[in-house]
Amino acid sequence: AQSVTQLGSHVSVSEGALVLLRCNYSSSVPPYLFWYVQYPNQGLQLLLKYTSAATLVKGINGFEAEFKKSETSFHLTKPSAHMSDAAEYFCAVSFGVDYKLSFGAGTTVTVRA
Amino acid sequence: AAGVIQSPRHLIKEKRETATLKCYPIPRHDTVYWYQQGPGQDPQFLISFYEKMQSDKGSIPDRFSAQQFSDYHSELNMSSLELGDSALYFCASSPPRVGEQFFGPGTRLTVL
Repeated sequence: AQSVTQLGSHVSVSEGALVLLRCNYSSSVPPYLFWYVQYPNQGLQLLLKYTSAATLVKGINGFEAEFKKSETSFHLTKPSAHMSDAAEYFCAVSFGVDYKLSFGAGTTVTVRA
Repeated sequence: AAGVIQSPRHLIKEKRETATLKCYPIPRHDTVYWYQQGPGQDPQFLISFYEKMQSDKGSIPDRFSAQQFSDYHSELNMSSLELGDSALYFCASSPPRVGEQFFGPGTRLTVL
């Protein structure tokens, strides 16, 4: 079975500060890992994905994540938060391509002016 | 660029009624997934189809059924609706061997 755990259900950052969202995974096989963003009353948008290529993955909107097998982690970062980053963020894992996603509980990000 | 289309966007039903949700995947995407997101919860996988055949099944109640048609659109049929079925239902599609699911805007179902 595969699962992800997101540490922290709410994160509040100041505009211009570092955004760090934590995700740890559990998987019996090499995982495929994803970060999705959800704005209020909207669908899920893919930020970035890890599919066993480079361990440092760059995504859209200035986000990046690093796959660390030794720590079973896939934390999401952005050097400088913008007001438009306020949203809910989900980490997800799957067995591989064309397989269902298992999501974490989500982290709500608020950005203070 | 074309996106996943879901209809209707909003649906209000009474308990014990039936509902049909539709999903139109992005052209040339061969896999369709359905997810249910309850209030304040993470999306939960319901069912998926690959080339019109069911490929995987999650925590989908027996009251729900789904299929994918020859034009690749999919429908989620829900019967004997319960209050707990109130949720946002997402459809996602993916192209072959890309490892990325593209989500539609969702259908918000409210059961009264």
